[in-house]
Amino acid sequence: LAKTTQPISMDSYEGQEVNITCSHNNIATNDYITWYQQFPSQGPRFIIQGYKTKVTNEVASLFIPADRKSSTLSLPRVSLSDTAVYYCLVGQGYQLIWGAGTKLIIKP
Amino acid sequence: EAGVTQSPTHLIKTRGQQATLRCSPISGHTSVYWYQQALGLGLQFLLWYDEGEERNRGNFPPRFSGRQFPNYSSELNVNALELEDSALYLCASGPGGYGYTFGSGTRLTVV
Repeated sequence: LAKTTQPISMDSYEGQEVNITCSHNNIATNDYITWYQQFPSQGPRFIIQGYKTKVTNEVASLFIPADRKSSTLSLPRVSLSDTAVYYCLVGQGYQLIWGAGTKLIIKP
Repeated sequence: EAGVTQSPTHLIKTRGQQATLRCSPISGHTSVYWYQQALGLGLQFLLWYDEGEERNRGNFPPRFSGRQFPNYSSELNVNALELEDSALYLCASGPGGYGYTFGSGTRLTVV
């Protein structure tokens, strides 16, 4: 089970693009990279998942370099409602290692 | 489509008592996963139920147990409650096309 390292917290402002980087040096060949968002007293919500290069959906982009030892979640034009904890997970299935995540605070 | 539902939302118990938490997965999902999230920390895997059977459990003592019913809903039971059992208990079903879907959790407080 691969462990991930993310910044503990980040601040940004409404309308800005926010990039959260996660390092996962021990990622295995079959591992996917998944990001979840969690608001206080709620369950995590799936944001995006990728294996390599770039993945984009309606809420975020995920950039994964060729060596796959890190990944960057990009949130375009954030709003106050994007204030939450963001988790980077590496692996497959349900038994992943959840760190403390990155607490993102968006200011007006 | 209804999401994962959990009840109750909040539960306050006294040390030594038993707590029962309930979860209904997304329609069509046969697997239910339970997690514990202590305040300010990440999730820790507790139990996995599929097709009525316990398939795997995390590193938790036997006083954490549960079951899955024929309609795939599930119960998590915590016996002999300890103060450190106070946490948000999350249930998830899946995986689906969008990873695992979590419920809003049950906040268990042991006093």
